[in-house]
Amino acid sequence: SQTIHQWPATLVQPVGSPLSLECTVEGTSNPNLYWYRQAAGRGLQLLFYSVGIGQISSEVPQNLSASRPQDRQFILSSKKLLLSDSGFYLCAFSKGLVTNTGELFFGEGSRLTVL
Amino acid sequence: ELKVEQNPLFLSMQEGKNYTIYCNYSTTSDRLYWYRQDPGKSLESLFVLLSNGAVKQEGRLMASLDTKARLSTLHITAAVHDLSATYFCAVGPSGTYKYIFGTGTRLKVLA
Repeated sequence: SQTIHQWPATLVQPVGSPLSLECTVEGTSNPNLYWYRQAAGRGLQLLFYSVGIGQISSEVPQNLSASRPQDRQFILSSKKLLLSDSGFYLCAFSKGLVTNTGELFFGEGSRLTVL
Repeated sequence: ELKVEQNPLFLSMQEGKNYTIYCNYSTTSDRLYWYRQDPGKSLESLFVLLSNGAVKQEGRLMASLDTKARLSTLHITAAVHDLSATYFCAVGPSGTYKYIFGTGTRLKVLA
């Protein structure tokens, strides 16, 4: 079966510190991968998506970056965190629409607090 | 720019009552998804709607899609407390790999 895992689940970081969130998909190949951020009590903001290794599309210009070093691995990074980076980060994958429904499946989420 | 709007944003309803959540979107799309989020948790898929006129039902929830009106509805029948959660619709604009989420509807079912 297909599963998605992301870590860490919770982290508290000081302003100006670096960030690395990791996401791994199992049980499928060539997934489309996504990073979303959810501010407290708000909706989901699409940050990055990737349709293949090394292919990253950025939706929001800011101090975050994403990388896809392997087919089923997606990493969200920052060199220097801002207070406004606090939020609930969600990784998701889909199998596309050709032979699938395109449904998004989400990881458990990573809750980031920047102090 | 694609906009996905849900209404209402907040909904407090009595158990046993019926209600509908609306999801409007501003661009061409033939795929729409509904998700549920419990407080502090990730999102759980509820429905996948891939064609005009599609209707899906699961328990007390029924979702429909009208691509011509760019409208999807999530109907709640005889609400129970366990349905209390935030519900999101998500739209995949035609020709893209993106999924744009609506603002969410926070539902509270009162006993």
